[in-house]
Amino acid sequence: AQSVTQLDSQVPVFEEAPVELRCNYSSSVSVYLFWYVQYPNQGLQLLLKYLSGSTLVESINGFEAEFNKSQTSFHLRKPSVHISDTAEYFCAVSEAGSYQLTFGKGTKLSVIP
Amino acid sequence: DADVTQTPRNRITKTGKRIMLECSQTKGHDRMYWYRQDPGLGLRLIYYSFDVKDINKGEISDGYSVSRQAQAKFSLSLESAIPNQTALYFCATSEADSYEQYFGPGTRLTVT
Repeated sequence: AQSVTQLDSQVPVFEEAPVELRCNYSSSVSVYLFWYVQYPNQGLQLLLKYLSGSTLVESINGFEAEFNKSQTSFHLRKPSVHISDTAEYFCAVSEAGSYQLTFGKGTKLSVIP
Repeated sequence: DADVTQTPRNRITKTGKRIMLECSQTKGHDRMYWYRQDPGLGLRLIYYSFDVKDINKGEISDGYSVSRQAQAKFSLSLESAIPNQTALYFCATSEADSYEQYFGPGTRLTVT
């Protein structure tokens, strides 16, 4: 069965500093990987996804994540964060053919002015 | 208009009461899902439906039931609510053969 571990429950970072949110997964088959973002009092929005092709995927607001099969990781990075990036970020995995998402427990990113 | 809507957005109910949470979508997606979110636990899958006649249990289905009334509607029921069902509930949809899910705004349920 698939599982997802987000190693940090909370990450405080100063505005304009870089950030990395870590995600590791466990699965015995091929997987597809996702990062969702939840802004305060809102639902989840897809931030970026890895389905196939280039292992480095990017979002429109400057985040990127790299699929590392050997380390079973899909860490999320941003070189310079903004106040508006304050949110909770969820890593999710789906095994090929299952169409079910398994979520990590989430990482709360707090950007400090 | 939102593509995935949930009603009610907030609900307070008492232990033992029956409650229904409703989800509607205008995306034309075949697949619909119900999750619950608890602080520090992330989202966990309760039930999912790949079409009107295909309903499946998820990770934490005990104490819940669902009804897929139409392609666009998927309801979650708590037959006899208990306090540990207090949580934020999300509905999601996806196209057939797609791994990408689209989420509604959530229903905050409190059971006293």
